[in-house]
Amino acid sequence: DIQMTQSPSSLSASVGDRVTITCRASQAIRNHLAWFQQKPGKAPKSLIYAASSLQSGVPSNFSGSGSGTDFTLTISSLQPEDFATYYCQQYNSYPLTFGGGTKVEIK
Amino acid sequence: QVQLQESGPGLVKPSETLSLTCSVSDDSISSFYWSWIRQPAGKGLAWIGRLHTRGSNNYNPSLESRVTMSADTSKNQISLKLTSLTDADTAVYYCARERRDASGWLYFDSWGQGTVVTVSS
Repeated sequence: DIQMTQSPSSLSASVGDRVTITCRASQAIRNHLAWFQQKPGKAPKSLIYAASSLQSGVPSNFSGSGSGTDFTLTISSLQPEDFATYYCQQYNSYPLTFGGGTKVEIK
Repeated sequence: QVQLQESGPGLVKPSETLSLTCSVSDDSISSFYWSWIRQPAGKGLAWIGRLHTRGSNNYNPSLESRVTMSADTSKNQISLKLTSLTDADTAVYYCARERRDASGWLYFDSWGQGTVVTVSS
């Protein structure tokens, strides 16, 4: 199985801050990487696919980059509604696997 | 916009079989791939398996001996059966729709709200 490692596991930030979350795959996955946002008690919401393509309706302050084994999710200016847990996921090979999550909390 | 609604028994006894349904509206299930994912309370996400109504299924090897996914096109529903339940199967279960990216690979684009399953005697 491909292991997906996210860092940090949690972070504290203020509204307006630039936030960067990293995801590393245990082997190369090309750009077959997605990011999800999950709020407490809610289903995950798809944000980004193909490492850098925004899902329809996702605000432009979210962006993704990377290829191969190293990927980044950036929130350019953190908004109150962005406080949540973020997961990366590889869809390059079976079984599909997720990172352990990064919780973004209010400072 | 597609709507996915999971439903199931909520509480199941150990060793029994779990049956869940995902009802899909505003899209034909035959047009897409569909996955089940689960999440134990306070933990991360784990993929269970993928189905297409006109193709073969793919299951997580960790669950493959206990999982069956099927589709009812007349009801536009996807189903999951998980046998020989233990406490470790207690989780929120999600269904998700998949579509192809520009290179033809499948990614999740829409999720149901999830259904809670507790395995307990």
